[in-house]
Amino acid sequence: DAKTTQPTSMDCAEGRAANLPCNHSTISGNEYVYWYRQIHSQGPQYIIHGLKNNETNEMASLIITEDRKSSTLILPHATLRDTAVYYCIVQDYGQNFVFGPGTRLSVLP
Amino acid sequence: NAGVTQTPKFRILKIGQSMTLQCTQDMNHNYMYWYRQDPGMGLKLIYYSVGAGITDKGEVPNGYNVSRSTTEDFPLRLELAAPSQTSVYFCASSRGQIKAGTYEQYFGPGTRLTVT
Repeated sequence: DAKTTQPTSMDCAEGRAANLPCNHSTISGNEYVYWYRQIHSQGPQYIIHGLKNNETNEMASLIITEDRKSSTLILPHATLRDTAVYYCIVQDYGQNFVFGPGTRLSVLP
Repeated sequence: NAGVTQTPKFRILKIGQSMTLQCTQDMNHNYMYWYRQDPGMGLKLIYYSVGAGITDKGEVPNGYNVSRSTTEDFPLRLELAAPSQTSVYFCASSRGQIKAGTYEQYFGPGTRLTVT
């Protein structure tokens, strides 16, 4: 079973920041938080990952709470091409990914 | 780099038929994976391989077989296809667990399989 809880769906206006929450209250100290997305029926695409500190790359920012029980993926300026299903995954070194149903993000014009 | 390629893109099988889904990666990744995704659901791991000659079962291996004779190729074999195997199949690869936290997977475009 997935170790994370995400909202089923969210909407975001084009050009605004999209903030996607994820709960992982049972996360252990060695587990990383990963985010992937799946656009339409394509293969999932890696976005970002982190352990304790906040992370930023060219696609997104990842904010992890101090107790590590939840995190937020931020797409700073959402575009229509960001419409996708977003998966939050927690995984330890040596484990295999478990993909839950994710959050369906709709970016609206 | 082509990344991860999968063939065929689509296939319709009759119940009881067999087929092989092909997966090739050109990134020299040690780890390769096969997932299936049923409509509206997340991905489930079928089999994975940590290197040539080494394979292991994932969450849903029944009805499937794999082999890994080279680093590049990781075919998935369906024997005696059943309607429950109607799904989209994704192959993925990763550099492996050289360092914790550098474990992102690269996915192929998928094979859409229908068994009737």
